[in-house]
Amino acid sequence: DAGVTQSPTHLIKTRGQQVTLRCSPISGHKSVSWYQQVLGQGPQFIFQYYEKEERGRGNFPDRFSARQFPNYSSELNVNALLLGDSALYLCASSQFGASRETQYFGPGTRLLVL
Amino acid sequence: AQTVTQSQPEMSVQEAETVTLSCTYDTSESDYYLFWYKQPPSRQMILVIRQEAYKQQNATENRFSVNFQKAAKSFSLKISDSQLGDAAMYFCAYRSGTYNTDKLIFGTGTRLQVFP
Repeated sequence: DAGVTQSPTHLIKTRGQQVTLRCSPISGHKSVSWYQQVLGQGPQFIFQYYEKEERGRGNFPDRFSARQFPNYSSELNVNALLLGDSALYLCASSQFGASRETQYFGPGTRLLVL
Repeated sequence: AQTVTQSQPEMSVQEAETVTLSCTYDTSESDYYLFWYKQPPSRQMILVIRQEAYKQQNATENRFSVNFQKAAKSFSLKISDSQLGDAAMYFCAYRSGTYNTDKLIFGTGTRLQVFP
C-alpha cells in the first residue's frame, strides 16, 4: 500500500508570493494534519482536518489556510510568503484522527522563500 | 500548555553498543500518549515506539525500549545493539488523550551518530 504522499518535493518562492502544498493520505485514512519544521527544530502543528472539517489549528497566522477534499486529500496554502516560512512542511494521516491512533508521515515538501 | 524537552542536542554511540536518549515533558493531563519518532536524512518521520500513559509496562519494539517514569514525567529511549542505520534525528512527542486530536507536540530533537 502507498504511504502518505506529498507534492512537490521542493519549492522555491519569493517573498510576497503564495504557495499551495498537496498531500494524499494513506488509503482509508480520513484525518490529515500539517506540520511546519524549521531547520534545527521539531515539527510544529499547523492544522488538522477530519472529514473535510477543521478539527484543530496551531498558533499560525491567518496567512496559513488549508482544506480537505472529498477524497480526503488536502492542500495547505500560505499567502504573502515571508523568509521565515522557509521550512519542511510535513503531512501526516490517520484513520479517524483519534488520540489512540498512530499517525503516518509523508516525506515532506521543502519550501525555500527568497 | 504541554511541553516536551529534549536536553541532548547530539549523542554518539559505537556500533553494537547501547545508547539512551532523554526526554521530559510537562502536562496536567492524566490521559496522554508519548512517542519517539526517527527522522533520517531522507526526512521521512518514522514511528519508533509509542507509550500509553495509563500503561505501567514500558513499551518495547525489538532493539528499542522506553523507560517511562510517569511521576517524574520522563520518557527515555534506549537503543540496544546500535546499528549504522540508526543514525538519525530522534524526536520525542506528546499527544493528548483528553481531546480527540492528532496534534503532536514535539521536542527539539536529538541527533544520533553511530560510529563503526
